[in-house]
Amino acid sequence: DAMVIQNPRYQVTQFGKPVTLSCSQTLNHNVMYWYQQKSSQAPKLLFHYYDKDFNNEADTPDNFQSRRPNTSFCFLDIRSPGLGDAAMYLCATSRILLAGVAKNIQYFGAGTRLSVL
Amino acid sequence: AQKVTQAQTEISVVEKEDVTLDCVYETRDTTYYLFWYKQPPSGELVFLIRRNSFDEQNEISGRYSWNFQKSTSSFNFTITASQVVDSAVYFCALSEAWAGGTSYGKLTFGQGTILTVHP
Repeated sequence: DAMVIQNPRYQVTQFGKPVTLSCSQTLNHNVMYWYQQKSSQAPKLLFHYYDKDFNNEADTPDNFQSRRPNTSFCFLDIRSPGLGDAAMYLCATSRILLAGVAKNIQYFGAGTRLSVL
Repeated sequence: AQKVTQAQTEISVVEKEDVTLDCVYETRDTTYYLFWYKQPPSGELVFLIRRNSFDEQNEISGRYSWNFQKSTSSFNFTITASQVVDSAVYFCALSEAWAGGTSYGKLTFGQGTILTVHP
């Protein structure tokens, strides 16, 4: 059974129309990550949560926001999608077991492929 | 800063051939983790292996084997007797082992190698 679930698998939105992507996990991991992956490129980290502690990458556009209402769920909000935001969005989770030690095997969901028309 | 280089953009082999995917990394950390992930056409990144920087033993898992050489900062991945199902993009990645501050195990990925195995 899938442990990191992303919905929907495919999302089509219009230019400038806000869109939300969701991620849920059954692993009870304390860290959740959002990556953007464009065609033929490596995944690029947007931000991550350690419990409720939000950490934004320096080059993540303000257009991207995230919410983590509880341990199991994390959302990616794109406030005004542009054509350049069309990509695969990957959610991942990991568990930090001891203070300062990252066991950090990141487990990924199947991704949401976003198209912007 | 950390950096991972996968010099092979694409590799094409015929089924049953052996194939090696190269990975070279740069880091100033003394303790770090190295990973390989597989991304099939479906899109999900599948974890294959994690290697601690202190452990230079090579590892074999079925048809897969990994050669970690700290002296050359390389972590190469070999598939023996390749199969069509091995066709995917393979990513090598690096993270620091210390999760202090705000890093929390951030992964630095290489650009990926597209492997195509023909019947």
